Amino acid sequence: SQQGEEDPQALSIQEGENATMNCSYKTSINNLQWYRQNSGRGLVHLILIRSNEREKHSGRLRVTLDTSKKSSSLLITASRAADTASYFCATGNTGFQKLVFGTGTRLLVSP
Amino acid sequence: GAGVSQTPSNKVTEKGKYVELRCDPISGHTALYWYRQSLGQGPEFLIYFQGTGAADDSGLPNDRFFAVRPEGSVSTLKIQRTERGDSAVYLCASSPLTRLYGYTFGSGTRLTVV
Repeated sequence: SQQGEEDPQALSIQEGENATMNCSYKTSINNLQWYRQNSGRGLVHLILIRSNEREKHSGRLRVTLDTSKKSSSLLITASRAADTASYFCATGNTGFQKLVFGTGTRLLVSP
Repeated sequence: GAGVSQTPSNKVTEKGKYVELRCDPISGHTALYWYRQSLGQGPEFLIYFQGTGAADDSGLPNDRFFAVRPEGSVSTLKIQRTERGDSAVYLCASSPLTRLYGYTFGSGTRLTVV
């Protein structure tokens, strides 16, 4: 079963624009992570935010977490064609057990 | 190794056959996870190992699916009497247990049951 839902399901933008993806989840969490997937194969870990954190940055990525609304957002600034991929949020409700993934957002960045 | 290695990368099998999918995690990573991903969906959890033991196998869909990790390193996912609905990409990931950390995923095995 999927814990989270990403919104939008698909997003198409031009290079240089910002891309924002949202994730909603259902149960209480210990941490939330974002992953990128190219060509339907292996996922790459982007960023992890703990439940007691509200915002985190990594390079061109900015993640926010609102536990009262059970939602998170991923912002990619100054997007590049190489950012074209599917992006998934994943939640963990304890420190080291399974992550539950959302349904994903397909991002297309056109040159 | 430097990353998580999964073999084979592609497997085509006939309905009713038995298959084994292998995962070689990053050296020293105590936790190992198997996920299954159908087209257009997010990965779905199958089983999680902490060392040699299965700490959580609640995602295995039925008793045709079984996984082992006898020495706490390499893991094998075994599927008996395969069905067409088992067709998916099977992903393996590993992580250390020393601190909270993202998973490192392998490239997956694409299983097609015909």
